[in-house]
Amino acid sequence: DAKTTQPPSMDCAEGRAANLPCNHSTISGNEYVYWYRQIHSQGPQYIIHGLKNNETNEMASLIITEDRKSSTLILPHATLRDTAVYYCIVRVLIQGAQKLVFGQGTRLTINP
Amino acid sequence: AAGVIQSPRHLIKEKRETATLKCYPIPRHDTVYWYQQGPGQDPQFLISFYEKMQSDKGSIPDRFSAQQFSDYHSELNMSSLELGDSALYFCASSLNLWGTPMETFGSGTRLTVV
Repeated sequence: DAKTTQPPSMDCAEGRAANLPCNHSTISGNEYVYWYRQIHSQGPQYIIHGLKNNETNEMASLIITEDRKSSTLILPHATLRDTAVYYCIVRVLIQGAQKLVFGQGTRLTINP
Repeated sequence: AAGVIQSPRHLIKEKRETATLKCYPIPRHDTVYWYQQGPGQDPQFLISFYEKMQSDKGSIPDRFSAQQFSDYHSELNMSSLELGDSALYFCASSLNLWGTPMETFGSGTRLTVV
């Protein structure tokens, strides 16, 4: 699976949009971009994933550049409960062998 | 909606003892994963099962073993416990047969070895 690079920490004001970048310059054509987050000591939580197109769900939006070498996770209206470590993970999907490889992640702090 | 259930939530064991962690995946999910998260570290993959067969293995010590039973629940068995085994252990499940998986994680078991 391709390696990802994320800033170690970010701050965002409550109510503002939080934009979390991720670089994955060695991504292959069949690799998906996944985002998970982990609120302190809780189990990681799936947020969103995409292959080429931008995606949006009730939690967030995922913007993938046209060359797929980077992506941005957008939390449109951050709340204090969004304070967590956010992991960008690139993975090939093979039936029966789809482990997640967690890297450093970005520690996002939402400030009141 | 049903979530991934892990038991126990907390476990304290002495060195060289044995521990068994249990995981009950979301109904109809075909894949179970185990992850270990040491203090201040990121989750590390241990082992996974797809349709009750071991499908992948990570940095899991030989002292650890796992299996998935006919009812799809899984158990992680840890023997000859060491202080370094103290960690959060997460189980996750997903449906991999169709489309792209979206793993659901349990709340974890916090193992403390003293």
